[in-house]
Amino acid sequence: EVQLVESGGGLVQPGRSLRLSCAASGFIFDDYAMHWVRQAPGKGLEWVSGINWNSGSIGYADSVKGRFTISRDDAKNSLYLQMNSLRAEDTALYYCAKDTGYDMSYYFDYWGQGTLVTVSS
Amino acid sequence: DIQMTQSPSTLSASVGDRVTITCRASQTISSWLAWYQQKPGKAPKLLIYKASSLESGVPSRFSGSGSGTEFTLTISSLQPDDFATYYCQQYKAFGQGTKVEIK
Repeated sequence: EVQLVESGGGLVQPGRSLRLSCAASGFIFDDYAMHWVRQAPGKGLEWVSGINWNSGSIGYADSVKGRFTISRDDAKNSLYLQMNSLRAEDTALYYCAKDTGYDMSYYFDYWGQGTLVTVSS
Repeated sequence: DIQMTQSPSTLSASVGDRVTITCRASQTISSWLAWYQQKPGKAPKLLIYKASSLESGVPSRFSGSGSGTEFTLTISSLQPDDFATYYCQQYKAFGQGTKVEIK
């Protein structure tokens, strides 16, 4: 059974940093691209970042470019999102999502339950 | 950047109704379009990919169609489990969502 479990969310002050993690199991992690998608409270879905199977292709939404860094550790079956210079508008539930392919197809067939990031003073 | 616009934003329907949700792209796109279902407090679920391909395990009452700039998600006979919010997506861009409510 595919499982994606996010962690690392919490309350953080504007301008500070946070690192999210996603632990994957139930599939061959290094065979697939992975993504982060967020959802602000009561709002729609926003793609944040994606990484292909070998970390050779990485993408970011304009809203986070230069502040967030995605990475993966295939030995640990884990995906990460380093978030720096956080802003109030980054407040959201952050989902880890599995791509259907090894390169980024942007079809997300499995999702975690999300980890909540709240940016407030 | 491509913008995805869904209509309607909210839809009231009864069990057994045929329901259609429309998604329009701001420019012509390939058939690289997905539809997701999200229930309150839950993660989204992939329903349709490549505009018309049904994801494994998704009931056949769900179908997708379209090309160019206009795409549709159809639920042929609405079931109690289908009341949810539906999102279209093309690559990095999601639509704003359509909430299907009980009439």
